[in-house]
Amino acid sequence: NAGVMQNPRHLVRRRGQEARLRCSPMKGHSHVYWYRQLPEEGLKFMVYLQKENIIDESGMPKERFSAEFPKEGPSILRIQQVVRGDSAAYFCASSPQRGTYNEQFFGPGTRLTVL
Amino acid sequence: AQTVTQSQPEMSVQEAETVTLSCTYDTSESNYYLFWYKQPPSRQMILVIRQEAYKQQNATENRFSVNFQKAAKSFSLKISDSQLGDTAMYFCAFMKLDTGTASKLTFGTGTRLQVTL
Repeated sequence: NAGVMQNPRHLVRRRGQEARLRCSPMKGHSHVYWYRQLPEEGLKFMVYLQKENIIDESGMPKERFSAEFPKEGPSILRIQQVVRGDSAAYFCASSPQRGTYNEQFFGPGTRLTVL
Repeated sequence: AQTVTQSQPEMSVQEAETVTLSCTYDTSESNYYLFWYKQPPSRQMILVIRQEAYKQQNATENRFSVNFQKAAKSFSLKISDSQLGDTAMYFCAFMKLDTGTASKLTFGTGTRLQVTL
């Protein structure tokens, strides 16, 4: 069973461009979380999605950021008109269906660099 | 809202020795989980140990154990017989237990542990 996959692992964008980060959860997992790790900081929650639904987006910046998890295909975190402050590592985690407790399994992260 | 505080930005320990990493948290929740994650230079997040708040017994996983003091809202990690492969950033994390649904993790700022010869 393959783990959580994220691509690309490294992404370089110029200011004003769009960044698309992809996350394929583990097989059988229907919950996806996105976290952002700024340099020398801990991970901060951005958004929690189930298939075709955003459950909690309390950590998402109000502008330029969006996320989706379609019925088919990976979850996408999209950042429009990137700025230097968006440079960070973006981690995706997945967990199985709802339950009392479900461990979140992390992907290797995508390191975004904005020039 | 929950907060997690790690007051030790960096720690160093000699191989085979024991080290304790500190973590405190603040919450008004009564049901929750606490975690320690390891992030080696590869940046992969690896779950080290988990503690359910309703359990009084401290969790243990091989060389890793925790000292969970619920009243003091303290959750320290003890690494025994430290190995060079333990060199990493260690993050303490909190998860509210929301019956029937998964929940987000709240992380501390991390402690960088260096194991030396």
